[in-house]
Amino acid sequence: GAGVSQSPSNKVTEKGKDVELRCDPISGHTALYWYRQSLGQGLEFLIYFQGNSAPDKSGLPSDRFSAERTGGSVSTLTIQRTQQEDSAVYLCASSVMSGDNSPLHFGNGTRLTVT
Amino acid sequence: AQSVTQLDSQVPVFEEAPVELRCNYSSSVSVYLFWYVQYPNQGLQLLLKYLSGSTLVKGINGFEAEFNKSQTSFHLRKPSVHISDTAEYFCAVSDTGRRALTFGSGTRLQVQP
Repeated sequence: GAGVSQSPSNKVTEKGKDVELRCDPISGHTALYWYRQSLGQGLEFLIYFQGNSAPDKSGLPSDRFSAERTGGSVSTLTIQRTQQEDSAVYLCASSVMSGDNSPLHFGNGTRLTVT
Repeated sequence: AQSVTQLDSQVPVFEEAPVELRCNYSSSVSVYLFWYVQYPNQGLQLLLKYLSGSTLVKGINGFEAEFNKSQTSFHLRKPSVHISDTAEYFCAVSDTGRRALTFGSGTRLQVQP
């Protein structure tokens, strides 16, 4: 079956512009995560969705970052007024549900470059 | 708060040699531990996980890891590596009450012929 799909795979934007990154999780997976991977850094947790519960936004680095998940499926991560330090690979993952430690299935990521 | 330390950013090794990738964690509560692997130009995938029970956990591709509670470690080992094992390896921890994984900074394993 299809895995986690992210689009675009690459995005180059000018400083100050807004960007939207999309994630299509595996069908039937109720948990969805966004992570950020910077060069030489580990994966930095950003935000987590589980079903209809309020999302865990504790990892969002600033109020320029926001995310939504429509209909419990597709998710969009929005970065407003991008800065150069936002350049990174943004990874989306989904799992069957949270709390049962079922494995996370990752997409291939969106590589964001802010010039 | 929980954290993960992977002391080695890069580990070069010759083919058929043994390898150990180190991982230490800190957490004030019981934890679940994971190793994920990222092959070149691919997404991360689960290699193995420790939830409870036997402290020696076997994963895919001949890898295994041992949970050591007293040393707060979860080192990854393979007795004989292949060229195809060249990848980035991430250790991750989740405490039993938290839903999101905390990842280490990764170790790049470079297997040379």
